[in-house]
Amino acid sequence: QLQLQESGPGLVKPSETLSLTCTVSGGSISSSNYYWGWIRQPPGKGLEWIGSLYYGGSTYYNPSLKSRVTISLDTSKNQFSLKLSVTAADTSVYYCARHGRAAPSTWIDYWGQGTLVTVSS
Amino acid sequence: QSVLTQPPSVSTAPGQKVTISCSGSSSNIGKNYVSWYQQVPGTAPKLLIYDNDKRPSGIPDRFSGSKSGTSATLGITGLQTGDEADYYCGTWDSSPSAWVFGGGTKLTVL
Repeated sequence: QLQLQESGPGLVKPSETLSLTCTVSGGSISSSNYYWGWIRQPPGKGLEWIGSLYYGGSTYYNPSLKSRVTISLDTSKNQFSLKLSVTAADTSVYYCARHGRAAPSTWIDYWGQGTLVTVSS
Repeated sequence: QSVLTQPPSVSTAPGQKVTISCSGSSSNIGKNYVSWYQQVPGTAPKLLIYDNDKRPSGIPDRFSGSKSGTSATLGITGLQTGDEADYYCGTWDSSPSAWVFGGGTKLTVL
């Protein structure tokens, strides 16, 4: 059974860089069959897609975040990561996830449990 | 403001049926498949429906999905108190190339 687990600091200062890692178990991220992505949810609000990427393929970002975000793969560790330069408005629960096929336009079928990141000085 | 529009809340009685709408445009729902997610507060979203009307393994047939033009609908029959959750629609927006979600609908089973 595929499992995704987010890890990283729970508190980040404004203007610094949020760095999160998603560790995948039960499957390989270097399989050419799936896109992998990040989604976030501010407290009490809805879901916002951050971006998705694919082993050996393109990376797609939310246009509203594109200038501040980088998503990358580490196949040696079966992990993918998120880096985001932050303001207080980026306080959210961050989820890593998998798309159902090798296209970012497909459904999201596996989700991590989520990790709360608070941006505050 | 979300790209996809959902009613903020719906409520109904146990055993009844409810529908949740999701309205978009020609660049998103009009061109791409829709999926639906259930989120119990404090937990991660769970896939309920994909490719407009398909159910993943383990999702009961009380849950159904449909799409027409630039709108999609989630239907739930035989409502149970355990169905109380937030429900989100999602799809790909071809212009720009981005995944988009609806604002979410809070379902209350009275």
